[in-house]
Amino acid sequence: GENVEQHPSTLSVQEGDSAVIKCTYSDSASNYFPWYKQELGKGPQLIIDIRSNVGEKKDQRIAVTLNKTAKHFSLHITETQPEDSAVYFCAASLANFGNEKLTFGTGTRLTIIP
Amino acid sequence: EAQVTQNPRYLITVTGKKLTVTCSQNMNHEYMSWYRQDPGLGLRQIYYSMNVEVTDKGDVPEGYKVSRKEKRNFPLILESPSPNQTSLYFCASRDGVGGSDTQYFGPGTRLTVL
Repeated sequence: GENVEQHPSTLSVQEGDSAVIKCTYSDSASNYFPWYKQELGKGPQLIIDIRSNVGEKKDQRIAVTLNKTAKHFSLHITETQPEDSAVYFCAASLANFGNEKLTFGTGTRLTIIP
Repeated sequence: EAQVTQNPRYLITVTGKKLTVTCSQNMNHEYMSWYRQDPGLGLRQIYYSMNVEVTDKGDVPEGYKVSRKEKRNFPLILESPSPNQTSLYFCASRDGVGGSDTQYFGPGTRLTVL
């Protein structure tokens, strides 16, 4: 089955700086890669996703890049703000009309230092 | 408001006392799933359901049961809870069977088994 590794497990950045979180996946057939943000006491919320036919996607201060050859994808947050502090999870999914479950990374706790 | 709801949000129980965690979604989604979240392990899938009366095991199904008698509800049943089932549980749903559709998560249920 799919295995997703996520690094780093914790990350502290100064407000206004950029943050980068990296994930690798094992199943080359995976073709959907979402990123979730989980705030304290809440469920994960989708913040951005990318499909395997695209190399990069951007939404305001958030961007995701995908390297299918190397089987890794990354989340980039620019101009970080205190409200970006949360736990971030990457995930991978294989859309083959079966279970198509999300396999999650182990999470990155991002702290923005004011 | 489109949402996934879970009840209870917090539960402390004792070993062997049967319990049910309810999950309901108001988005008419076909696919529903249960995950557990443990420190350092990310989210792992327990059971999933592709539609009414269609359920199947995820990665960590031991000690759990589910049912899907109605499209909107997907309860998680612990017939005889044990301390190793102490965890944070999330229900999720998504529309259709495509793995690349957005998955929506409930707010979580924190379960402690003494």
